[in-house]
Amino acid sequence: GESVGLHLPTLSVQEGDNSIINCAYSNSASDYFIWYKQESGKGPQFIIDIRSNMDKRQGQRVTVLLNKTVKHLSLQIAATQPGDSAVYFCAENPDRNNDMRFGAGTRLTVKP
Amino acid sequence: DTGVSQNPRHKITKRGQNVTFRCDPISEHNRLYWYRQTLGQGPEFLTYFQNEAQLEKSRLLSDRFSAERPKGSFSTLEIQRTEQGDSAMYLCASSLNTRSGYTFGSGTRLTVV
Repeated sequence: GESVGLHLPTLSVQEGDNSIINCAYSNSASDYFIWYKQESGKGPQFIIDIRSNMDKRQGQRVTVLLNKTVKHLSLQIAATQPGDSAVYFCAENPDRNNDMRFGAGTRLTVKP
Repeated sequence: DTGVSQNPRHKITKRGQNVTFRCDPISEHNRLYWYRQTLGQGPEFLTYFQNEAQLEKSRLLSDRFSAERPKGSFSTLEIQRTEQGDSAMYLCASSLNTRSGYTFGSGTRLTVV
């Protein structure tokens, strides 16, 4: 069935570099997307969201890009810090009356 | 209100026992969600409530699972006759509506031995 997935399970970057985490989705009906960060032993934490009428949204040090043509999401983290080390999930809402559906996640490791 | 609260944080139970988890959402949030997360996987949807009404249940929610949200405030998730495969992190989240980000609790980690 249609699902959210991620290109890479792990990503390792040097402190201070920019990070890019990718996500592919297959449900063309999805019109709302969220990126979450999950640290060990904690619940997922909201980072940034984007609606399908936008192709880019910026937050503090983070940018989400949405390419509806190829059904692709990315999360860019600028000047990655050790505190950014976590698992990152993208989630989609394929039906505005229902819940968010999550992918398997990408583990980001920041090397000092 | 400091966020979504889940209790207990950890639960170890013997196979065949019943367990109940509690979730207290953010007070003004009318939507409440339960997810299950196993190691290395993303959260999997179980069920959600709008106020006190349970609007959707996943196929993952077998007849051994039941969730309630009396009075549209806190929610409980009960698992009867636990099996080892039920071992997971059970996450609760709440939101104001379908177009706002969820706020997750820290989860209840269940270990069935």
